[in-house]
Amino acid sequence: GAGVSQTPSNKVTEKGKYVELRCDPISGHTALYWYRQSLGQGPEFLIYFQGTGAADDSGLPNDRFFAVRPEGSVSTLKIQRTERGDSAVYLCASSPSRLTDTQYFGPGTRLTVL
Amino acid sequence: RKEVEQDPGPFNVPEGATVAFNCTYSNSASQSFFWYRQDCRKEPKLLMSVYSSGNEDGRFTAQLNRASQYISLLIRDSKLSDSATYLCVVYRGGATNKLIFGTGTLLAVQP
Repeated sequence: GAGVSQTPSNKVTEKGKYVELRCDPISGHTALYWYRQSLGQGPEFLIYFQGTGAADDSGLPNDRFFAVRPEGSVSTLKIQRTERGDSAVYLCASSPSRLTDTQYFGPGTRLTVL
Repeated sequence: RKEVEQDPGPFNVPEGATVAFNCTYSNSASQSFFWYRQDCRKEPKLLMSVYSSGNEDGRFTAQLNRASQYISLLIRDSKLSDSATYLCVVYRGGATNKLIFGTGTLLAVQP
């Protein structure tokens, strides 16, 4: 079946602009995660959804970052007033439930803030 | 100090060599342990889970020492196709339910 998909694959924006990154999890997966990977680093946790609700948003760096999952499937990560330091690959992952430790990753969105 | 520590490498080895990666983690509440592989500009993919009893998958052997909070990965008879970044990962379940990644170790297998 289809894996996790993310759009766009690449996004170039200017400092101060607003961006939205989309994640389509594997069908039927109730848990969804966002991670951010900076150059030379491993992915870092941002937020975890169980169904429609954010169960843990402790990784969001500041209030410019926000994520939603209104129908418990597709999720959107929103970044306001982008800064150059936000440039990274944003990875989405999903898992069948919160009880499993296996997460399936999408290909990521490469965000570049000029 | 990072919660999961790895030597970033790079490890440059000839084909056929045996190479070992090590990793330490600081949170004793970590529940599960993994090695992920990440190719350049691709997403991380699960290579194998790691158990205290040790587990082997072909040329790959992983080991966990809970007392020392130490994880290892051994690759025997390296192939060119093994060139990638290897990420040490721990899973913290419960309310947080997240994966915590090391910085990754870059392996370059030379012909």
